[in-house]
Amino acid sequence: AQKVTQAQTEISVVEKEDVTLDCVYETRDTTYYLFWYKQPPSGELVFLIRRNSFDEQNEISGRYSWNFQKSTSSFNFTITASQVVDSAVYFCALSDAYGSGNTGKLIFGQGTTLQVKP
Amino acid sequence: ETGVTQTPRHLVMGMTNKKSLKCEQHLGHNAMYWYKQSAKKPLELMFVYSLEERVENNSVPSRFSPECPNSSHLFLHLHTLQPEDSALYLCASSQDRAVQETQYFGPGTRLLVL
Repeated sequence: AQKVTQAQTEISVVEKEDVTLDCVYETRDTTYYLFWYKQPPSGELVFLIRRNSFDEQNEISGRYSWNFQKSTSSFNFTITASQVVDSAVYFCALSDAYGSGNTGKLIFGQGTTLQVKP
Repeated sequence: ETGVTQTPRHLVMGMTNKKSLKCEQHLGHNAMYWYKQSAKKPLELMFVYSLEERVENNSVPSRFSPECPNSSHLFLHLHTLQPEDSALYLCASSQDRAVQETQYFGPGTRLLVL
């Protein structure tokens, strides 16, 4: 069955610290996609990144970086030199088409609340 | 990202009221979704529309009634709700329902049922 686990419910750091948000997934499909979304207090889910199961290269975008490891079924997200504006709930999500052709279904983790203190 | 808008942003209603949530996407997408986000729960997919046809209903109570008059608009009609229906209701859209497509979300409607 498809499942996404974000074991860290809440993380609190002081500004400028680095922080890593963990994401572990389960799927029986060989083709799947992984996503990270940010949900600030305003409520909107903001898309951050999408990775496919065939591309294990790590990705960096400014202070954000993502580490995809198929061997451990993990897709972790690191924020370098965190800032107060990074405070939000972060969701990891999995889209696979197991048993449904090419139709995807997005499965979300429980989310990790990140608080960055000044 | 302002490609998906939702109104109203906040709604308070009694259990006997009838109200509607509106979602509009300006991205030219063909698939639209309603999600429910309750406190301390993961996002729950409620309905999926593809090319204006409802293709998925995840055992949602009949007091929630979706409508998709065209590919840009999605409504959620509410009637005889319960206090446990209080939640953030999020609308999303994607190019289509293919596994690789990214869903883009609106800001949500915070609903309080008294």
